[in-house]
Amino acid sequence: EPEVTQTPSHQVTQMGQEVILRCVPISNHLYFYWYRQILGQKVEFLVSFYNNEISEKSEIFDDQFSVERPDGSNFTLKIRSTKLEDSAMYFCASRKTGGGGNEKLFFGSGTQLSVL
Amino acid sequence: DAKTTQPNSMESNEEEPVHLPCNHSTISGTDYIHWYRQLPSQGPEYVIHGLTSNVNNRMASLAIAEDRKSSTLILHRATLRDAAVYYCILSGSGNTGKLIFGQGTTLQVKP
Repeated sequence: EPEVTQTPSHQVTQMGQEVILRCVPISNHLYFYWYRQILGQKVEFLVSFYNNEISEKSEIFDDQFSVERPDGSNFTLKIRSTKLEDSAMYFCASRKTGGGGNEKLFFGSGTQLSVL
Repeated sequence: DAKTTQPNSMESNEEEPVHLPCNHSTISGTDYIHWYRQLPSQGPEYVIHGLTSNVNNRMASLAIAEDRKSSTLILHRATLRDAAVYYCILSGSGNTGKLIFGQGTTLQVKP
């Protein structure tokens, strides 16, 4: 089965540094998402992206966060100035079509971000 | 987003069936019922989804109540690999296709 690929699997950074988390969604998918999961907590929605623009974002996704699809295959999440509380597992997801509910979401295996 | 209610945890014995319940009394007519699971240290993984009729696939079965206010995920023969957090999520029209995760049910499978 096709996969969503995320790199790196682990990222360690210093507080205040910029990080870019990378994802390669499934090739014919058009809708892309980022989620995060702080250790021991639930999976939280960050942002959805379609047609080269953000279609929805949560309260967590503030000005420190940005997303981009720089080419036809990659989808990135940038955190401009990392804080300790950004330490979490970040999951990328994609689906072929958007709303309507009758389609499954494919998730990557995640990038564990540790901010020191 | 309509809410779902699941037990925090359940236990099962290996090779026995498991019935994971979910209540969604405020479900709307266009909401699909989705189940995902998250194995330890992995991303969420799709299990099954349905609208009104019961559904079967190679992983599980989904039984949906006639009034659609509850559903049950059925694992026919639990294996140790099925130990995971199982999430019941409603996904309907008029949104961006995002899924909102709750706390889910942590399933423990005993050998």
